[in-house]
Amino acid sequence: DVKVTQSSRYLVKRTGEKVFLECVQDMDHENMFWYRQDPGLGLRLIYFSYDVKMKEKGDIPEGYSVSREKKERFSLILESASTNQTSMYLCASSTGTATMNTEAFFGQGTRLTVV
Amino acid sequence: AQSVSQHNHHVILSEAASLELGCNYSYGGTVNLFWYVQYPGQHLQLLLKYFSGDPLVKGIKGFEAEFIKSKFSFNLRKPSVQWSDTAEYFCAVILSNTGKLIFGQGTTLQVKP
Repeated sequence: DVKVTQSSRYLVKRTGEKVFLECVQDMDHENMFWYRQDPGLGLRLIYFSYDVKMKEKGDIPEGYSVSREKKERFSLILESASTNQTSMYLCASSTGTATMNTEAFFGQGTRLTVV
Repeated sequence: AQSVSQHNHHVILSEAASLELGCNYSYGGTVNLFWYVQYPGQHLQLLLKYFSGDPLVKGIKGFEAEFIKSKFSFNLRKPSVQWSDTAEYFCAVILSNTGKLIFGQGTTLQVKP
């Protein structure tokens, strides 16, 4: 079975801290994603990576950066955490593109609270 | 820009009523289509998926969805809802050119007993 693992289930950080959210997948997937989920807003794509060191901005990249130095690991970085970044963060991975009949697999989520 | 739109944000039904949730996407190429469900306090769960072939796909818990290519739509249906179907439902699309996965904003379904 595909496994996508997020390093923390719950995090509490202070305003202004640099925060790292880690995600690891074990299926050699090319694509990895970071979303945030907020009530009434669904899952919004923050960043997308389609290969090592390759990334693409999603709909809401402001205040975030990402790192993908190895294929299995995709990190989301909050350079200076703010209270409006309090949210549930979901990582996902998938292989290839839609022409390959691909689907995504999700981590369990990290609930981040910035105080 | 590519996007996914779910027409209904909040739907309230009585048990045994029929359900149809709309989903449209804006992208001209090949797509893979999905419906996910999230029960209160739980993680996302895949309801059904469409890759190719028969445009009517059946999923878990009695749900089905129809892909209408000409309308860029992938509507979710269930003939008779139950109280246990109360949840949030998300439509999602994987794009052929990049493999990007995009979600709609979700529809909250409340089923009254």
